[in-house]
Amino acid sequence: GAVVSQHPSWVICKSGTSVKIECRSLDFQATTMFWYRQFPKQSLMLMATSNEGSKATYEQGVEKDKFLINHASLTLSTLTVTSAHPEDSSFYICSARKAAGGFYNEQFFGPGTRLTVL
Amino acid sequence: KQEVTQIPAALSVPEGENLVLNCSFTDSAIYNLQWFRQDPGKGLTSLLLIQSSQREQTSGRLNASLDKSSGRSTLYIAASQPGDSATYLCAASNQAGTALIFGKGTTLSVSS
Repeated sequence: GAVVSQHPSWVICKSGTSVKIECRSLDFQATTMFWYRQFPKQSLMLMATSNEGSKATYEQGVEKDKFLINHASLTLSTLTVTSAHPEDSSFYICSARKAAGGFYNEQFFGPGTRLTVL
Repeated sequence: KQEVTQIPAALSVPEGENLVLNCSFTDSAIYNLQWFRQDPGKGLTSLLLIQSSQREQTSGRLNASLDKSSGRSTLYIAASQPGDSATYLCAASNQAGTALIFGKGTTLSVSS
C-alpha cells in the first residue's frame, strides 16, 4: 500500500502556456501533500505544503500566483505552472502523508514529472 | 532552520565492498529521518525511516543509524553490488506533518 502517482510523467510545452500536474494517493487518504522541485544534479527543494480544503503554504521565494496548488480532495492535489518559461523546466515531485494510520510522519513520494519548457 | 548535509558528494567502490554514507543535520530536534534512493531521472524510493527515539533501522543489507546529539546519521551498505549504484538522499523532518528537508545526496557508483 501507500502508492502515490503523478500525471503526466513528462511534459513539453511552449513558453507562455500553463501546465497542470496531478498528484494522487491511490490507496490511502492524504490530509497533507507536499510539492518539491529538483533541478539537475541538485537536491529536492520544498515548494509548498498543501492541506486538503485549505490554501497551500508556499516557501519563501516561490510565487504562489505562478505555481497554483489545489488540494480539493483527500486523494488529489494539483500543481499548475502558469505562463511557464524555460527557467521553470525542472523535475517536480509530490509526496503525501497519510491522514490516519501514518507511521512516524512517513511520506510517500510520487514518481515525478519532468517539465521542459521550450 | 534545519540544514542537511551529505558527504561525500560522490563515491566509487568496487563490488563487494562495505561502505558508509554520511548525513549531518544542524537542528537536533528532529522528528524523524529518512534515507532515499534515486535512480537517474526517476523518483524517490524510500529505504529506511528512523524515528527520533530510535537509534537505528535495518533492512536487508542496509543499516541506518541516528545520533541526535551529534547531529549525524549514517547509511551502511554491506557487500555492495552494481545495482546499488544510485544517488542516496538523506532527509529530516522537524515536526509531525511537516515537509522533509533534503541533503544534496551522495552519488554512489559500484563497479563490477
